[in-house]
Amino acid sequence: QKEVEQDPGPLSVPEGAIVSLNCTYSNSAFQYFMWYRQYSRKGPELLMYTYSSGNKEDGRFTAQVDKSSKYISLFIRDSQPSDSATYLCAMSLVYNFNKFYFGSGTKLNVKP
Amino acid sequence: DAMVIQNPRYQVTQFGKPVTLSCSQTLNHNVMYWYQQKSSQAPKLLFHYYDKDFNNEADTPDNFQSRRPNTSFCFLDIRSPGLGDAAMYLCATSRTGTGAEGQPQHFGDGTRLSIL
Repeated sequence: QKEVEQDPGPLSVPEGAIVSLNCTYSNSAFQYFMWYRQYSRKGPELLMYTYSSGNKEDGRFTAQVDKSSKYISLFIRDSQPSDSATYLCAMSLVYNFNKFYFGSGTKLNVKP
Repeated sequence: DAMVIQNPRYQVTQFGKPVTLSCSQTLNHNVMYWYQQKSSQAPKLLFHYYDKDFNNEADTPDNFQSRRPNTSFCFLDIRSPGLGDAAMYLCATSRTGTGAEGQPQHFGDGTRLSIL
């Protein structure tokens, strides 16, 4: 079993839709949670970063962490064609925070 | 803007011919990482430097080596590239230490390596 599971998609939505992207994980010791956006032929770009449980909002993006369910989500409101990319979740341990565990990414396509 | 810069963006080499990829950063971060990413896969950590301390992942082949001559620069050397080493190689940095636990990693745009 992988440490972090993420549906690869592709996920195709119309412009303006609310998008929900999710990851599940197996190690309850994960404490730091990140979402990265990766455009084709580019490096991952940090979108959201949260510690432990709860919600964090930044513009059209909301990150949620549910540690009891070992489940994290990224919501994108009013999705735009420019949001079309692969979204990677990542997480790290409180006692070894240099090592990141990545999901394999969900490819999102927002249609105009 | 502070950033992580990787050169070259695209590299073509021959089977078995050594190749070096470079990474520089202006973030003054003390940790630098090298990842291998193949199509539709998660980035796979090869090794990282915590300051000058080198940390190799257990499953990183001996064919992959790294050097960090100073805080700003880090190199990935592939001694004898095989066809299976064709991938995107990503460099990342983070700031860590007391009071900076769990800081996110910042990535460069990668070097896409092709093997002929």
